[in-house]
Amino acid sequence: AQSVSQHNHHVILSEAASLELGCNYSYGGTVNLFWYVQYPGQHLQLLLKYFSGDPLVKGIKGFEAEFIKSKFSFNLRKPSVQWSDTAEYFCAVSLMDSNYQLIWGAGTKLIIKP
Amino acid sequence: GAGVSQSPRYKVAKRGQDVALRCDPISGHVSLFWYQQALGQGPEFLTYFQNEAQLDKSGLPSDRFFAERPEGSVSTLKIQRTQQEDSAVYLCASSFGTENTEAFFGQGTRLTVV
Repeated sequence: AQSVSQHNHHVILSEAASLELGCNYSYGGTVNLFWYVQYPGQHLQLLLKYFSGDPLVKGIKGFEAEFIKSKFSFNLRKPSVQWSDTAEYFCAVSLMDSNYQLIWGAGTKLIIKP
Repeated sequence: GAGVSQSPRYKVAKRGQDVALRCDPISGHVSLFWYQQALGQGPEFLTYFQNEAQLDKSGLPSDRFFAERPEGSVSTLKIQRTQQEDSAVYLCASSFGTENTEAFFGQGTRLTVV
């Protein structure tokens, strides 16, 4: 069965540190890739997505992600985090033959120390 | 409102009780999704509607789970004879088109079965 792995369940960083959250998926075919964020007490919202084209995708709030097909990875990065980035981050994948259904990782809780 | 609305936000049910969870999608959104999120996990797909048609219910965990969207707008997820393992957050999402380009999520209903 297809799956999505997020390597770190909890990450604690200081403000201004650089961030990289790992995401790997297991599926050999064409995929669409997503990162969602859930701020405390709020709903899930889309951070960025990759469907095709430039594998380096820029999203909101200074986040970016790079699709590396050979590594089945879609890691999320931000050069300098802020306290307001404290949230839970989810990687998700949809498969081309059932592109309405998202397959999710377990999430990474990010805490930024002021 | 402009977003996806779910009610109730919290529901405590006694084991064996039936529950109904409501989702009001964004007006005009064709696609509607239900996901189940257990504690510490990512969401898991339950079912998908395109307008009033339920196109995929492969994720519903048992025949105690039933979803409907009779007029292609509001949807209800019903769980009969609730069990403790049904305790989770139930998320509803909607999207404008028929492909999962961007799904907008509600805040979820947290169901606790005691």
